[in-house]
Amino acid sequence: QVQLVESGGGLVKPGGSLRLSCAASGFTFSDYYMTWIRQAPGKGLEWVSYISRSGSTIYYADSVKGRFTISRDNAKNSLYLQMNSLRAEDTAVYYCARFLGDSSGYSDYWGQGTLVTVSS
Amino acid sequence: SYDLTQPPSVSVSPGQTASITCSGDKLGAKYTCWYQQKPGHSPVLVIYQDNRRPSGIPERFSGSNSENTATLTISGTQAMDEADYYCQAWDSGTVVFGGGSKLTVL
Repeated sequence: QVQLVESGGGLVKPGGSLRLSCAASGFTFSDYYMTWIRQAPGKGLEWVSYISRSGSTIYYADSVKGRFTISRDNAKNSLYLQMNSLRAEDTAVYYCARFLGDSSGYSDYWGQGTLVTVSS
Repeated sequence: SYDLTQPPSVSVSPGQTASITCSGDKLGAKYTCWYQQKPGHSPVLVIYQDNRRPSGIPERFSGSNSENTATLTISGTQAMDEADYYCQAWDSGTVVFGGGSKLTVL
């Protein structure tokens, strides 16, 4: 069965950095686009970024462009999100999800999420 | 940027039909999907490509999309369907979510 397990969340000061990881299993990781989506406490879902199968195509939300970097390692079945220059408004649960980005643009499997808190 | 608008809340009586709308400019020309999220849980895909149900999603969930509005319909709503529902579209390479609708079954 498809499993996505995020890790790397925690408490970080404003201006700091954090790297999130997502370990995938139960499917051929290199066959799928992947995405990060976040949810601030008590708020709705906000798309962050997605990456194509090979990593050649990447898109970011305007709110994180220039600060966050998505990447993947198909040999390790892993997705990453490097977050720099963190702000209080980046506080959220970050989900990784499998993304059908070459067809209809939907996420069919989601991880359990990892909480990032940006606070001094 | 592209915006999707949902009603913040929708109420329905058990056994009745709930309809949750999602509005956006020329939304009917884009594929729309819907996610269900219960408190403390990750979102679950309930409709994709406007009207297709993933395996394991009950038949009472259906979707439509035309012109500027996509609609998630839940027929014979059950108490277990009480949750937040989010629409999502894919526009010019970016992903857009609606603000979410809280469905209350009372």
